[in-house]
Amino acid sequence: DAKTTQPTSMDCAEGRAANLPCNHSTISGNEYVYWYRQIHSQGPQYIIHGLKNNETNEMASLIITEDRKSSTLILPHATLRDTAVYYCIVRVEDGNKLVFGAGTILRVKS
Amino acid sequence: ETGVTQSPTHLIKTRGQQVTLRCSSQSGHNTVSWYQQALGQGPQFIFQYYREEENGRGNFPPRFSGLQFPNYSSELNVNALELDDSALYLCASSASVSSYNEQFFGPGTRLTVL
Repeated sequence: DAKTTQPTSMDCAEGRAANLPCNHSTISGNEYVYWYRQIHSQGPQYIIHGLKNNETNEMASLIITEDRKSSTLILPHATLRDTAVYYCIVRVEDGNKLVFGAGTILRVKS
Repeated sequence: ETGVTQSPTHLIKTRGQQVTLRCSSQSGHNTVSWYQQALGQGPQFIFQYYREEENGRGNFPPRFSGLQFPNYSSELNVNALELDDSALYLCASSASVSSYNEQFFGPGTRLTVL
């Protein structure tokens, strides 16, 4: 599985959009980009995933660059409850595991 | 719909002992994966079970073993516990082995080895 690089931490003001970047420059054509988050003392929670097109669901939007070497997770209106560690993961099409890095600690502040 | 549950919540063992952790998968899910999360790190894949058979294993020694039962619940067994086995153990279930299916995680079991 390709390696991902994320900033160690980010701050965001409550109500503003949180934009979390991820670099995956060695991604292969059959690898998907997944985002999970882990709120303190809980198990990771799935957010969104995509292959090459931008994706949106009720939680977030995922923007993948045309060359697929990087992506951005967007939380459109961050709340205090969005404070968590956010993991960007690339995963092969028939992969059976998630390979987590260190993730980005997002702190949403009022 | 009941989510993924794990038991116990916390556990304290001493070096050399054996431990069994349990996981009940979400209703309708036939695939269970186990992860180890050391303090301050991301979860690390231990192994996955699909229809009672191991379906992939991470870089963990044989003293980490598992089972999946006909109702798709699962156990993680660790023999000869070491201090470095202290971690949060997470179980995740999914509707199938396909990567299209998101993995739903339980709250974890916090294991402390003294």
